Amino acid sequence: QITLKESGPTLVKPTQTLTLTCTFSGFSLSTSGVGVGWIRQPPGKALEWLALIYWDDDKRYSPSLKSRLTITKDTSKNQVVLTLTNMDPVDTASYYCAHLRNPEYCFDYWGQGTLVTVSS
Amino acid sequence: QSALTQPASVSGSSGQSITISCTATSSDVGTYNLVSWYQQHPGKAPKLMIYEASKRPSGVSNRFSGSKSGNTASLTISGLQAEDEADYYCCSYAGSSTWVFGGGTKLTVL
Repeated sequence: QITLKESGPTLVKPTQTLTLTCTFSGFSLSTSGVGVGWIRQPPGKALEWLALIYWDDDKRYSPSLKSRLTITKDTSKNQVVLTLTNMDPVDTASYYCAHLRNPEYCFDYWGQGTLVTVSS
Repeated sequence: QSALTQPASVSGSSGQSITISCTATSSDVGTYNLVSWYQQHPGKAPKLMIYEASKRPSGVSNRFSGSKSGNTASLTISGLQAEDEADYYCCSYAGSSTWVFGGGTKLTVL
């Protein structure tokens, strides 16, 4: 059974860096083709793909946020970490991590999400 | 601006069928036959309902079906039930290891 869970701060101040951790189970991020991605959703708005890391440590980022995003993995801990620098109130959103079973597919299993509010 | 266009809202009466479209404004959906559809209830995570345009994951009701023609993918829900009221999103691989979601469609069951 594949499960994912996001953790991190619920409140960050403008200009700070957000660090979120995705802890997963039920699959290995060393299996060929597998990836873990991050998607966010501002309140009342649509889903937005942010970043993805593959089993081979290949990393991909949304072109619109690439300069602010970093994604890393710790395969031994079954964790993926996302950092987003220079936070702004427009970055207020629910942040989800999700499992990708194969390149070119969309995400199949999702975490419950974590709401991050950016406010001074 | 999303590269996948969905109607903002659709509605249908209980027992009826509805279809939600997802149209690519570029070659995203047209090139790849791997469109997925998600159902999202308020305050919950998206749930995969359709993958590879027309396949249902185990456990998803057969009232949900998907299709794709050219640059437009469609999700059809038959025999509408109250619990189907939710937001629905399409997703497509957009090439170069990037992904795009539609703007979402709010389904109201009358």
